Amino acid sequence: SQQGEEDPQALSIQEGENATMNCSYKTSINNLQWYRQNSGRGLVHLILIRSNEREKHSGRLRVTLDTSKKSSSLLITASRAADTASYFCATESFSGNTGKLIFGQGTTLQVKP
Amino acid sequence: ETGVTQSPTHLIKTRGQQVTLRCSSQSGHNTVSWYQQALGQGPQFIFQYYREEENGRGNFPPRFSGLQFPNYSSELNVNALELDDSALYLCASSRGQTGNTIYFGEGSWLTVV
Repeated sequence: SQQGEEDPQALSIQEGENATMNCSYKTSINNLQWYRQNSGRGLVHLILIRSNEREKHSGRLRVTLDTSKKSSSLLITASRAADTASYFCATESFSGNTGKLIFGQGTTLQVKP
Repeated sequence: ETGVTQSPTHLIKTRGQQVTLRCSSQSGHNTVSWYQQALGQGPQFIFQYYREEENGRGNFPPRFSGLQFPNYSSELNVNALELDDSALYLCASSRGQTGNTIYFGEGSWLTVV
């Protein structure tokens, strides 16, 4: 079952612009992790944000988490053509001792040079 | 480079056959999880192994099975392959069962014909 829903499903911007992707989920979470996936390849971890955190930064990335709205956003500033990829949010919920991630369907980002 | 390595990268099998996929976890990581990602979808959790024991399972039939070895490497076995098993199989490792960053490998592309 899909817990996370990313919005928009696809996003096309010009190099240098900012890109914002949103993620909503349904159940209480332990943490939320954002990943990037280049076409046909593995997942690259971007940021982990815990349920008691509201905002985290890593380089050009900014992630926010609103547990009251069960939503998160990923902002990529000053985008580059190399940022073209699919982006997934994944939530880890408490399920006994199993730390499984539940993914949404992803946002496909195209950054035009 | 996540330190999680998978083999083989691509393989083609015939319906009804069996397949074994392999994964070496990142150094220091004692937990390995497997995910299935169909084309255009987010990854789906198959199961997790912690200290050589299955520690949680997603909605996959028993013909999906796994092993974890004392060095924390892991195998995913799929018996009686079906056409719908065609997907990217992702291995992920983490330090501990829950609450930590989960790192993914590049995946194994399985095509069932």
